[in-house]
Order: sequence, then C-alpha cells, then structure tokens
Amino acid sequence: QKEVEQNSGPLSVPEGAIASLNCTYSDRGSQSFFWYRQYSGKSPELIMSIYSNGDKEDGRFTAQLNKASQYVSLLIRDSQPSDSATYLCAVQPSQGGSEKLVFGKGTKLTVNP
Amino acid sequence: KAGVTQTPRYLIKTRGQQVTLSCSPISGHRSVSWYQQTPGQGLQFLFEYFSETQRNKGNFPGRFSGRQFSNSRSEMNVSTLELGDSALYLCASSLVTSLDEQYFGPGTRLTVT
Repeated sequence: QKEVEQNSGPLSVPEGAIASLNCTYSDRGSQSFFWYRQYSGKSPELIMSIYSNGDKEDGRFTAQLNKASQYVSLLIRDSQPSDSATYLCAVQPSQGGSEKLVFGKGTKLTVNP
Repeated sequence: KAGVTQTPRYLIKTRGQQVTLSCSPISGHRSVSWYQQTPGQGLQFLFEYFSETQRNKGNFPGRFSGRQFSNSRSEMNVSTLELGDSALYLCASSLVTSLDEQYFGPGTRLTVT
C-alpha cells in the first residue's frame, strides 16, 4: 500500500513568517511530486510540482525534494492570510502502480494577521 | 484557456439509485482522472482514462465505473448508491507527458440520503 503522510496540523503562523509543510512517502520509486492548495469548499489547486532532488522556487513558494529520505516539503515565505488553506501533498507512484496520484490527508495552515 | 468543468455541481440522491457525473477536460488534455474526497479518507483515486481506455483503477468496488469519449470528455457512474458514497467527486485532467501535472475541476458534491 503506497502511502503519503503529512502532519494534519493545524499549523498556525503569524503574517510575514515562513510556513513549513512536510510530507513523507513510502514508494521509493516515485518520480513526480506535487503540492496542491485547497480552500474550504473549493477543489484542489496545483501550486508546485517537483521532479528532481533539490529546491524549486516559484515566487513565495519553494518546494524541496530529497528522494533518499523520501521527503518533500513546501516553504511559504512572507505568509499572508490569503495563504490560509489546506495543503495537500501528492505523489505519482512508480511505473506499474495502479494509482495515478496518491494524496496525503493534508495540512491545515492558518496565517494570523 | 477554460479550465476543467464538471456537471452537475450538486446532487442529492437516495440509497439504491444510480448517478452519472460528467467532466470536460482542459482543451488538449487527453487524460482524465476521477477522485473521491471525504473528510475521513481524504482524496482517493478512482480511475484514469486515456484515449477512451481505462488506464489505471483504484481500490473501489465495481459499482463505480467510468468511460471516456472520443473528445476526451468523461463520465463516471455509481450504481446502487450507499450512504457512504456521499462525497465530493473530483475530476482532473492532464496532458499525457512526463510532467503529468493534473488540474482539478470544481467537483460534484453528492449527497446520498
């Protein structure tokens, strides 16, 4: 059973701080990793994808991948109240698996003004 | 470019009935995946269709089925509805490339009474 684990939170940070969201996965052969943001009552929105070890930056967001440790993280710099949402980590299992994407249960982030 | 569209947005059905949900992918996207989201289980993969063929299938009973048409539009059907089928059903589309970034539609909220 391929699994993706996230701290459920809630994670609370003050406005302007760095929010750090973490995710571990069980399938060592996984190749593609994604972060989605989901506002309450809305559908998931893709915010970052990462495929190779290291950091990938996009605006205030930085995704970090360490395949040896089976760990992927998302940093949000200068957090804003509008970043308050649930963040879902998703992993595409290795070839031959039956699932398209395996999702963690999400971390709820609250940014306090 | 228009996003993924899903119809209907809300649906109320009674136990034992069947339901059909529809999804139109982003123009040019040929892969369509379906997910079920519940508070307890999170986002779970149902199945993926590409070129009118089911390419992957998650761990759901045979009451859940789908199909894809030549224009890449997809439908999913749930027969003999149970109370536990109440959920948000999400459709996601992607290009068939090595990136495989998936973009979600707004979802169909199904309530079974």
